[in-house]
Amino acid sequence: GENVEQHPSTLSVQEGDSAVIKCTYSDSASNYFPWYKQELGKGPQLIIDIRSNVGEKKDQRIAVTLNKTAKHFSLHITETQPEDSAVYFCAASIRGNQFYFGTGTSLTVIP
Amino acid sequence: KAGVTQTPRYLIKTRGQQVTLSCSPISGHRSVSWYQQTPGQGLQFLFEYFSETQRNKGNFPGRFSGRQFSNSRSEMNVSTLELGDSALYLCASSPLSRTGTYEQYFGPGTRLTVT
Repeated sequence: GENVEQHPSTLSVQEGDSAVIKCTYSDSASNYFPWYKQELGKGPQLIIDIRSNVGEKKDQRIAVTLNKTAKHFSLHITETQPEDSAVYFCAASIRGNQFYFGTGTSLTVIP
Repeated sequence: KAGVTQTPRYLIKTRGQQVTLSCSPISGHRSVSWYQQTPGQGLQFLFEYFSETQRNKGNFPGRFSGRQFSNSRSEMNVSTLELGDSALYLCASSPLSRTGTYEQYFGPGTRLTVT
């Protein structure tokens, strides 16, 4: 099956700085790549996603880039705020709704 | 629209018992997937249901089963509970059609503790 690796496992940034989280996937047939934010005691919340026919997608302070050749995709958060502190997960899907998740990145934004 | 709801939110069971968890998807969503989340293994796919049929299944033993009703609500059952089954069980719903992949929206989860 698909294998998704995520780095770093923890990330601390100063408020206002940018944060970048990277993921790689193994199966070139994967075609959908969502990112989730999970706060303590809550379920994962979809924050942005990208499909394999697109190289970049932006939504306000959040952007995702996809490099199909290298099989990696990244989450970029600009102008970070304390409320961005959470655990972030990347995922990949080949077909249907069987998602393979990365191991998560704990982001701390220091005020 | 109301989000995905899961009941109960917390559950404590004893080894050997069985448990049933419930999930109500977002109105109009016909696909329901279940995941197990643990600190050691992360988020792992259990199974997915669409139109009352299991479409995909992850690598979990047969003690883990599920079903979906005609109103798209879903239940998962774990029989003969083991200590290692302690986890957060997450349900996700999707407006998936018969083909293709669509975004999944997660519920708050059911925290199961096996003692």
